[in-house]
Amino acid sequence: QITLKESGPTLVKPTQTLTLTCTVSGFSLSTSGVGVGWIRQPPGKALEWLALIYWDDDQRYSPSLKNRLTITKDTSKNQVVLTMTNMDPVDTATYYCAHRLGGSGTNTFDYWGQGTLVTVSS
Amino acid sequence: DIVMTQSPDSLAVSLGERATINCKSSQSVLYSSNNKNYFAWYQQKPGQPPKLLIYWASTRESGVPDRFSGSGSGTDFTLTISSLQAEDVAVYYCQQYYSTPYSFGQGTKLEIK
Repeated sequence: QITLKESGPTLVKPTQTLTLTCTVSGFSLSTSGVGVGWIRQPPGKALEWLALIYWDDDQRYSPSLKNRLTITKDTSKNQVVLTMTNMDPVDTATYYCAHRLGGSGTNTFDYWGQGTLVTVSS
Repeated sequence: DIVMTQSPDSLAVSLGERATINCKSSQSVLYSSNNKNYFAWYQQKPGQPPKLLIYWASTRESGVPDRFSGSGSGTDFTLTISSLQAEDVAVYYCQQYYSTPYSFGQGTKLEIK
């Protein structure tokens, strides 16, 4: 079955760079149509879509965060990595990775990781 | 960016009664070439990740009970729970995947009256 698991630091300091890893199983990151996205959720607040990478390395970013985000994948390790530069306390949130629902144009997500809470504080 | 606005922000419904949540997008998410609405509904329970309920505005995800249904087109969408069960207490989010950023609504908290 499809599973995703986020890993990374739980605490980062302001101005630091955050690196999060999503380790996936049950599917291949190189299979046509596959995509993995990152979504975050500040405590008690709504979901915010961040980025998405497709099987062919095509990438999509939230325009408001585009200059701070990089999404990459390592097919051999079954991992998708999100980096976010210049972290600020407002970036405190639970960060989720999620599997893109299959099918043309379906950029919504059918499997999600449990999420990892990242706190930004000095 | 497409802004998604849900109403109401919170809702209390008696067990067995109908619950209705609305979502309005700031621009149409209907793609004319295939007549599909690039729109989804999610359910999120405390301490859990979101769960996909509905996509293409009205297609139920596998395993989702048929008391959940989605309707609407263009800019106005509705999630209906036909007979509320205790396990349906959650926050519900809409999402558009028509254009990036694939934005979510602010959420609607559903409780038992």
